[in-house]
Amino acid sequence: EAQVTQNPRYLITVTGKKLTVTCSQNMNHEYMSWYRQDPGLGLRQIYYSMNVEVTDKGDVPEGYKVSRKEKRNFPLILESPSPNQTSLYFCASSKDGWGRGEQYFGPGTRLTVT
Amino acid sequence: TQLLEQSPQFLSIQEGENLTVYCNSSSVFSSLQWYRQEPGEGPVLLVTVVTGGEVKKLKRLTFQFGDARKDSSLHITAAQPGDTGLYLCAGAPQNSGYALNFGKGTSLLVTP
Repeated sequence: EAQVTQNPRYLITVTGKKLTVTCSQNMNHEYMSWYRQDPGLGLRQIYYSMNVEVTDKGDVPEGYKVSRKEKRNFPLILESPSPNQTSLYFCASSKDGWGRGEQYFGPGTRLTVT
Repeated sequence: TQLLEQSPQFLSIQEGENLTVYCNSSSVFSSLQWYRQEPGEGPVLLVTVVTGGEVKKLKRLTFQFGDARKDSSLHITAAQPGDTGLYLCAGAPQNSGYALNFGKGTSLLVTP
């Protein structure tokens, strides 16, 4: 089954404790992206990747890191999480560039930073 | 930067009514997409429009891309409770590389 998986689905952590949210897709897509969704602000792009070792900043990259060492995986790293990073996070992948092809979204990771 | 403005933000209607959701911008977009998101899930693509003036139909849903490629609308005919959800428009602004911009969404509730 074609899908995007994210882990963990739910995470409660404390300020400053490094964490990684994993994202994996099995569709051999070149494009992958991370978003955060907040009430009243909608979906905002954090980082995106056009291929292995090629990444770029989205609208809200501060406080986040990503890496794309393999085509299927695109982890999101929070080196020193803060309460303002409490949010619902989505990973997405696409065969074509943004806006041209269908983005497949993962099920989301709900992160709470206390 | 939120380039896409969606309206209305919330919509509560009864089954059988018609509705239109708008997605507006002052920027030109290469294409626009509409997604629907249900609680606890990721957004799912409904349609992509790429040509100015384009109209696409998906059963009771009609999508239109403005002639100048700055706006789009989603019209639902005879809404059903199964249409309940969050509707999001998303677009890739021209000359913006690969960044994708989402509107804040329209939350639709259709009651029987």
